[in-house]
Amino acid sequence: QQQVKQSPQSLIVQKGGIPIINCAYENTAFDYFPWYQQFPGKGPALLIAIRPDVSEKKEGRFTISFNKSAKQFSLHIMDSQPGDSATYFCAASISSTYSSASKIIFGSGTRLSIRP
Amino acid sequence: DAGVTQSPTHLIKTRGQQVTLRCSPKSGHDTVSWYQQALGQGPQFIFQYYEEEERQRGNFPDRFSGHQFPNYSSELNVNALLLGDSALYLCASSLWGATGELFFGEGSRLTVL
Repeated sequence: QQQVKQSPQSLIVQKGGIPIINCAYENTAFDYFPWYQQFPGKGPALLIAIRPDVSEKKEGRFTISFNKSAKQFSLHIMDSQPGDSATYFCAASISSTYSSASKIIFGSGTRLSIRP
Repeated sequence: DAGVTQSPTHLIKTRGQQVTLRCSPKSGHDTVSWYQQALGQGPQFIFQYYEEEERQRGNFPDRFSGHQFPNYSSELNVNALLLGDSALYLCASSLWGATGELFFGEGSRLTVL
């Protein structure tokens, strides 16, 4: 119940296309859903995050769509560029009296390649 | 403003040995968490330290232990190394009580032979 399932494992898209990465969760106590971007040799960096009280959030070319009833959320990258090539992780956590932002459950990752 | 710094960046150990990894959090942060990232996998939560105490722990054996110092820096210790401990160990810092962004370091790549 603590898992976050992510698909696809890898994705190749032409420049300008819209890659879509999907995630699903079981634990309805999750209330914070971040996406992290990781380049080779670097640590993950927060890209965008959403809470379950909204169905969509946009930041620049990145959009999260959230479906609370289906317990699914997805990342869309508009006008994708070769520089977006990286591994993307969806994640989830539970707010509590503890600093639960630290205990984040990560998906298994999607290796995205944007072809010029 | 320095981000999260980790040392060493790479190290090689043999089975049965012990290793210590170090982390300095981002300036202004007081909470440090450690994650293990196996090749091709997402990071897995090991434990979290705040006020020099372990506050939360993931599903890792007691061979994994840690420490936080008064200046908020932290160490991760792994005893009796196994081949399966080979991974990238990531340190992340945050502010206690804030449910938001974790700032990750670049990690320490541990290889166990």
